[in-house]
Amino acid sequence: GESVGLHLPTLSVQEGDNSIINCAYSNSASDYFIWYKQESGKGPQFIIDIRSNMDKRQGQRVTVLLNKTVKHLSLQIAATQPGDSAVYFCAEKRSYNTDKLIFGTGTRLQVFP
Amino acid sequence: NAGVTQTPKFRILKIGQSMTLQCTQDMNHNYMYWYRQDPGMGLKLIYYSVGAGITDKGEVPNGYNVSRSTTEDFPLRLELAAPSQTSVYFCASRRTGGDNEQFFGPGTRLTVL
Repeated sequence: GESVGLHLPTLSVQEGDNSIINCAYSNSASDYFIWYKQESGKGPQFIIDIRSNMDKRQGQRVTVLLNKTVKHLSLQIAATQPGDSAVYFCAEKRSYNTDKLIFGTGTRLQVFP
Repeated sequence: NAGVTQTPKFRILKIGQSMTLQCTQDMNHNYMYWYRQDPGMGLKLIYYSVGAGITDKGEVPNGYNVSRSTTEDFPLRLELAAPSQTSVYFCASRRTGGDNEQFFGPGTRLTVL
């Protein structure tokens, strides 16, 4: 069935480097995408979102890129810090008239000194 | 604001027992959600509510029931617990209109033996 998936289950980066977490989605009707961060033992925390009419959106140290042609979403974290270590999920909303989010399986980001 | 609170934090049930997972939010959000998260997986939507008195099924509603008698509370009921319901359960809420950011509670870890 249609799903949101991630290319890499675990990503290890050195502190200070940039991180890129990727996500593929299969439903071209999806109009809204979100990235969540989940630290161990906690609920997901909103990072950044993007609508389908945009290609790029920037936040504080984070950038989300959306490529609708290949149905690909990425989260870029600049100057990765130890506090960025967590599991990152992308989620999609598949149409304008639904409130349901479909989550991917997640990528674990490990930051080492 | 306390945000989204969930009780209990942990629970062990025997097969066939029943229980209610509590969720309360103090942000006056109309939308509330219940998700389950299996080990190493993303979140799957169980039920959601767009306001008091209104509930709807998500991806995996079987074995669960919900009610929404007030804006603040959205309890999730398990009537006949099964091992397949062993999971971490997250409640979330969001405000009407505007962005789609969902605020998550800390989760309830449920084990069914």
